[in-house]
Amino acid sequence: GENVEQHPSTLSVQEGDSAVIKCTYSDSASNYFPWYKQELGKRPQLIIDIRSNVGEKKDQRIAVTLNKTAKHFSLHITETQPEDSAVYFCAAGSGGGADGLTFGKGTHLIIQP
Amino acid sequence: GAGVSQSPSNKVTEKGKDVELRCDPISGHTALYWYRQSLGQGLEFLIYFQGNSAPDKSGLPSDRFSAERTGGSVSTLTIQRTQQEDSAVYLCASSLHGTANYGYTFGSGTRLTVV
Repeated sequence: GENVEQHPSTLSVQEGDSAVIKCTYSDSASNYFPWYKQELGKRPQLIIDIRSNVGEKKDQRIAVTLNKTAKHFSLHITETQPEDSAVYFCAAGSGGGADGLTFGKGTHLIIQP
Repeated sequence: GAGVSQSPSNKVTEKGKDVELRCDPISGHTALYWYRQSLGQGLEFLIYFQGNSAPDKSGLPSDRFSAERTGGSVSTLTIQRTQQEDSAVYLCASSLHGTANYGYTFGSGTRLTVV
């Protein structure tokens, strides 16, 4: 089955700086890579996703890059703000079923004022 | 409904008691997933339902855990003879057509505390 590794487990950056979270996956059949943001005490929410037919996707201050050859994908947040503080989960999937999405263990992003 | 609804939002129970957690998925979403999230940890897969098919129970940690889904919609996760290590947030998610390629929508979770 799929295995997703996520690094770092904790990331502290100064407000205004950029943050990068990296994930690797093992199953070359995976073709869908979403990122979820979970604020303290709240549900995980999908913030951006990428499919295997593109290498990069941007949405305002958030971007995701995908390298299928190396089997890794990354979340980039620019001009970080206090409200970006949360736990971020990456995931990889190839379709349906219980194996549909495999999650990383999460990165606790802390934005220092 | 507009989102995935879970109830109760919080549950405190005594060790050894049974609990039932409820999930009402987004209307039209055929796939439903239960995950467990222990304090500061990632998402642990528990069970998956696709429509009215038999569920994939491969993630259930013990035979004290069971789940059902009535009419392909509402699901109930039951934990019998609760133990302190069952304390966690139990998250339900649904997805369209059972494919992951549209992402999951999560409920707000049930925070279970076993005392």
